[in-house]
Amino acid sequence: GDSVTQMEGPVTLSEEAFLTINCTYTATGYPSLFWYVQYPGEGLQLLLKATKADDKGSNKGFEATYRKETTSFHLEKGSVQVSDSAVYFCALRDDAGNNRKLIWGLGTSLAVNP
Amino acid sequence: DTGVSQDPRHKITKRGQNVTFRCDPISEHNRLYWYRQTLGQGPEFLTYFQNEAQLEKSRLLSDRFSAERPKGSFSTLEIQRTEQGDSAMYLCASRREGRNTEAFFGQGTRLTVV
Repeated sequence: GDSVTQMEGPVTLSEEAFLTINCTYTATGYPSLFWYVQYPGEGLQLLLKATKADDKGSNKGFEATYRKETTSFHLEKGSVQVSDSAVYFCALRDDAGNNRKLIWGLGTSLAVNP
Repeated sequence: DTGVSQDPRHKITKRGQNVTFRCDPISEHNRLYWYRQTLGQGPEFLTYFQNEAQLEKSRLLSDRFSAERPKGSFSTLEIQRTEQGDSAMYLCASRREGRNTEAFFGQGTRLTVV
């Protein structure tokens, strides 16, 4: 079945460092891909998404490009801030089906130190 | 704030007791999803409603679990005869009809079975 694999955390960076969180997926169809963020004590929030190959999702300085050839959707940010400390989840959704449930990675915890 | 709301935020119960959680989705959203998230894991799909119809249940949802959405608005998730393994965060999400619509998550109900 469909699955998502993302790099294990925790990731610890200094403020203004470059961030990459790797995400790869396995899917039989042509899924949409998502990054969600979970700040401490809060619910999951959509960070960015891409619905087809070569699309780039971007939000709040974060970017991810849907790479069909490498089945990847790596999350990047050029200069992280302390406020980016959170858990980041990569997810896919099979849009060919009716229920459109999300399949999730395990999450990557990011801690940014001042 | 008219986002997805879940009640209660936290629930501590003794093993063997029954618990019920409530989810109020965003009002115009006809799709509603329940997920379970255990510590260090990504969310796992439990069940899905389209309006009042429960269209899919995960194998994770044992006979002790039941979910309803009687009028196609709010939903309840009941766990009977709780076990320690049921301890988790229970997440509700909703979205509008449509291929690329975004799922919005509530803050979750954290269940602790002692």
